[in-house]
Amino acid sequence: KNQVEQSPQSLIILEGKNCTLQCNYTVSPFSNLRWYKQDTGRGPVSLTIMTFSENTKSNGRYTATLDADTKQSSLHITASQLSDSASYICVVRSRGGTASKLTFGTGTRLQVTL
Amino acid sequence: GAGVSQSPRYKVAKRGQDVALRCDPISGHVSLFWYQQALGQGPEFLTYFQNEAQLDKSGLPSDRFFAERPEGSVSTLKIQRTQQEDSAVYLCASSLVATEAWSPLHFGNGTRLTVT
Repeated sequence: KNQVEQSPQSLIILEGKNCTLQCNYTVSPFSNLRWYKQDTGRGPVSLTIMTFSENTKSNGRYTATLDADTKQSSLHITASQLSDSASYICVVRSRGGTASKLTFGTGTRLQVTL
Repeated sequence: GAGVSQSPRYKVAKRGQDVALRCDPISGHVSLFWYQQALGQGPEFLTYFQNEAQLDKSGLPSDRFFAERPEGSVSTLKIQRTQQEDSAVYLCASSLVATEAWSPLHFGNGTRLTVT
C-alpha cells in the first residue's frame, strides 16, 4: 500500500530560526513529489515539485530535497517568519493509472513564535 | 474566477439531514477532485472527475455520498442522512489538465461540515 509519513508531527520554533521537515514515502512507481503549505482555514497551496531526477530545488526561503534511492524528501525553511506558521503536507504522485493517484501525508504543523 | 470557490464556507447539519456542498473550479480546468480532511490530518481522496465524467469514486466512504459535475464545470458533493462521523472539512481541488503528471492541484478553502 502506498504511504507517506511525515515528521515531526508538530514543531515550534522562534522567528528567524531555520527548520527542516521530513517526508518518507513508499509510493511506487514514483512520478513526483510536491510540498504544499496549508494555512489554518485555507486550502493547501503548492510550494514546490520534485521529480525523479531532481535532488534539490529552492523557492525563496524554502528548499526541498529528494533522495529517490532512500525515498526521502525534506523541506528546509530558512530564516522563519511568523507567516510560515502553517501545516506542510507532502504529496506523492505515482506513475501511470488515473490522475487521482496521489498519496497525502498527514502534515507537519509548524508554529513560528516571537 | 481567480481561484477555486467553495460554498458554503461552514455548514451545521442535524444528524439525518441531507447536505449539498458546491465547488466552482478554476475556469477551463479539466480535472476536479473532492477530499475529506479530518482535524489534524491530511486530505483523504473521495472522488475524481475529468470534465463531466466521474472516473474514480473509490474514496467515497458509503453510498450516502454522491458527487456530480454534469456540465464539466461546477461540482456538487451531496451527503445524505448525515452522521456525526461525516464532520470534517471537505476540500475541492481542480487541475488544468488530466494527464500532465506535474500539474498542481489548486484547492478551495473548503467547507467545514459539523453534524450535531
